[in-house]
Amino acid sequence: DTAVSQTPKYLVTQMGNDKSIKCEQNLGHDTMYWYKQDSKKFLKIMFSYNNKELIINETVPNRFSPKSPDKAHLNLHINSLELGDSAVYFCASSHNRAFGSGNTIYFGEGSWLTVV
Amino acid sequence: DQQVKQNSPSLSVQEGRISILNCDYTNSMFDYFLWYKKYPAEGPTFLISISSIKDKNEDGRFTVFLNKSAKHLSLHIVPSQPGDSAVYFCAASEGYKLSFGAGTTVTVRA
Repeated sequence: DTAVSQTPKYLVTQMGNDKSIKCEQNLGHDTMYWYKQDSKKFLKIMFSYNNKELIINETVPNRFSPKSPDKAHLNLHINSLELGDSAVYFCASSHNRAFGSGNTIYFGEGSWLTVV
Repeated sequence: DQQVKQNSPSLSVQEGRISILNCDYTNSMFDYFLWYKKYPAEGPTFLISISSIKDKNEDGRFTVFLNKSAKHLSLHIVPSQPGDSAVYFCAASEGYKLSFGAGTTVTVRA
């Protein structure tokens, strides 16, 4: 029973397509995230939701749209995929949005997106 | 503009010896620091953390040291074991955002 699960794990798709990555956490956490790990291996925050409310929205193209139907789910939809979108996308969750006092982020296993 | 930097992309250490991983940061507003460990094809997992009001935190074989004046933290693993071979990410938080370094790949040699 994986705490943070995301699907699909691997996705190969053509430029211009629209795709979604789904994420679910069963930890009862209030806050969920999407991180992108690029070719230089940096983990960069894209979005964060707290109780279904968007609290972090980094400089991400409008083609990326997160959707949080409830606090246990945060899906990522990507329109008009480009070659540069190829990366590993990690979903994560934390007890709440304030770090410290033992609050930390739990990551999913990642979704490897390849755009050809 | 990377605010968290891990300048050593890799580290090789013999089993039983100490592994020392370094991390530098530029943002003086960071107030909480974490280390994550990542195996291939898996997500990062939390290892150890430290608040900015402390200078040391220890958990078993893992100790994190924080030098606020130098904006530097380090992770010590003693003794290093083969299962420690992984990528280690340093992270720092300001408010609701966690910023990560690029990671250091540790290889523990038998």
